[in-house]
Amino acid sequence: EAQVTQNPRYLITVTGKKLTVTCSQNMNHEYMSWYRQDPGLGLRQIYYSMNVEVTDKGDVPEGYKVSRKEKRNFPLILESPSPNQTSLYFCASGKGTGYGYTFGSGTRLTVV
Amino acid sequence: GESVGLHLPTLSVQEGDNSIINCAYSNSASDYFIWYKQESGKGPQFIIDIRSNMDKRQGQRVTVLLNKTVKHLSLQIAATQPGDSAVYFCAENLNSGNTPLVFGKGTRLSVIA
Repeated sequence: EAQVTQNPRYLITVTGKKLTVTCSQNMNHEYMSWYRQDPGLGLRQIYYSMNVEVTDKGDVPEGYKVSRKEKRNFPLILESPSPNQTSLYFCASGKGTGYGYTFGSGTRLTVV
Repeated sequence: GESVGLHLPTLSVQEGDNSIINCAYSNSASDYFIWYKQESGKGPQFIIDIRSNMDKRQGQRVTVLLNKTVKHLSLQIAATQPGDSAVYFCAENLNSGNTPLVFGKGTRLSVIA
């Protein structure tokens, strides 16, 4: 089944403790992206990647890192999480410009 | 920068009626548009898309209309059902160059049984 898989689905952590949210897609998509979704603010793009070893900042990249060492994986790294990073996170992948994205099921992160 | 927006943040419709969700876009260079549906606790799901060389595209119970003159996009849902209750997002993209989709904030559709 074609899908984007994120893990974990739910995560509660403490301020400053490094964490990684994994994202994997099995559709051989070149494009991958991370979004955060907060009430009233819609989907805001954190980082995106047009291909392996190519990443670019989105609208809200501060406090996040990503890597794209292989086509299928695009992990989101929070080196020192803070409470304002409490949010619902979505990973998405697509063929590229001019095509839609497939989204993962989301990761609800709480930083206390 | 230019961004996608929506006319109405919430919409309530009676079951069986038709729903119309509107979206205004401001980037005149955008030539690819998508509607997504997001149910509670789930990720956005692709519904239908349209490219700028068309002004109408139909799917199963859904129709997307594109008016490039006034930069307006709409999603019509026929015979709305309780399962259609969700948040609907429009998104726009340039059909060339390495630019990501730009999403609107979403409209919540509530179906009254």
